Amino acid sequence: GAGVSQSPRYKVAKRGQDVALRCDPISGHVSLFWYQQALGQGPEFLTYFQNEAQLDKSGLPSDRFFAERPEGSVSTLKIQRTQQEDSAVYLCASSLTGNQPQHFGDGTRLSIL
Amino acid sequence: EDQVTQSPEALRLQEGESSSLNCSYTVSGLRGLFWYRQDPGKGPEFLFTLYSAGEEKEKERLKATLTKKESFLHITAPKPEDSATYLCAVQADNSGGSNYKLTFGKGTLLTVNP
Repeated sequence: GAGVSQSPRYKVAKRGQDVALRCDPISGHVSLFWYQQALGQGPEFLTYFQNEAQLDKSGLPSDRFFAERPEGSVSTLKIQRTQQEDSAVYLCASSLTGNQPQHFGDGTRLSIL
Repeated sequence: EDQVTQSPEALRLQEGESSSLNCSYTVSGLRGLFWYRQDPGKGPEFLFTLYSAGEEKEKERLKATLTKKESFLHITAPKPEDSATYLCAVQADNSGGSNYKLTFGKGTLLTVNP
């Protein structure tokens, strides 16, 4: 597809379970970003990749959050030992280069019971 | 710390009733200011990038302007299909840095009634 693809669209997990969220960026886009969006709020930055290098992970809320992009294309955001406050929409965005407009996927809505 | 404040939080217009949305920002150095549209259950959709004070961009019924402290999104003769949340975001110019993250405001929920 032409746009950023995220899967799954919805994920329900019990507190304490581990989850993995996938992002397929636009082909050829060097930069990849993860954001977290709470209900009624704007997206908040989590982490940034340039190709396979994670250049900034300052927005990750805790060491339970881990992201990777091993081959410089697909990225996975993993959350270990999930907690209720992790419930949110997780958005992935990609851009051709760092200062070009970021194009977003439709997100994964994560609900922790 | 970079900050973005959008107002109003919600705006209800009649079809054809023009108005403006405001985005005030505080950033150490502005690399770019971005406007996005977000529909329920969807990701933000890119509208405009503005890079320097005085710059303007237009697309259909939307026009974005930028000053050193704020940006406006002007909506001329809106239609019901313009109903959405409009998000403003800034990208800071961290000299020597390599982070291109966006800092978003909370958005303005626009409803256009027929």
